[in-house]
Amino acid sequence: DGGITQSPKYLFRKEGQNVTLSCEQNLNHDAMYWYRQDPGQGLRLIYYSQIVNDFQKGDIAEGYSVSREKKESFPLTVTSAQKNPTAFYLCASSTTSGRTYEQYFGPGTRLTVT
Amino acid sequence: AQSVAQPEDQVNVAEGNPLTVKCTYSVSGNPYLFWYVQYPNRGLQFLLKYITGDNLVKGSYGFEAEFNKSQTSFHLKKPSALVSDSALYFCAVRKSRNTGFQKLVFGTGTRLLVSP
Repeated sequence: DGGITQSPKYLFRKEGQNVTLSCEQNLNHDAMYWYRQDPGQGLRLIYYSQIVNDFQKGDIAEGYSVSREKKESFPLTVTSAQKNPTAFYLCASSTTSGRTYEQYFGPGTRLTVT
Repeated sequence: AQSVAQPEDQVNVAEGNPLTVKCTYSVSGNPYLFWYVQYPNRGLQFLLKYITGDNLVKGSYGFEAEFNKSQTSFHLKKPSALVSDSALYFCAVRKSRNTGFQKLVFGTGTRLLVSP
């Protein structure tokens, strides 16, 4: 998990509230990603950003929003429009040059909405 | 579209025995293949990758994987399992394009349980 921090580790919210998950990296990576993990479904891509001030929707972006104002930070907001927000959220980063294609992951945030 | 299949939800092996976690992939063109491991309530840790070259790739913690293009497989192996290897293992694939964003597609994961 080194180099990428996510906070908080556990987060509880009431239905109808927006919540923002933090992701910070000190690896000097250009690209950052948000994934959602549900039991038996693997990881699904929510949003990704290849460069500051630019981001793209992934496979399941509905009900989520992101910003990329700084290279090291990529916060994810889970809005009230997300129908089933309870999940384990993982942030990752990678370089965009050379041949080091693997993504490095943070420790995750477990969000529970009731 | 690329995809990854991990046909076994769980693999059980006794400590000291060899282990194999299976992965097959589908991608147009040449694949880049990855294995990650996840311990409970933790993020994913990179184990190894195949980009090009030797079909047998060695990675962290004594793990290795064999790329088989004809069978479109990338099975994870270890000669002698440890109880501490018990975790959730993910295979992932992306297209081998030099430019542009290439999404990493993950399998659904295989839980490895190593008994003492």
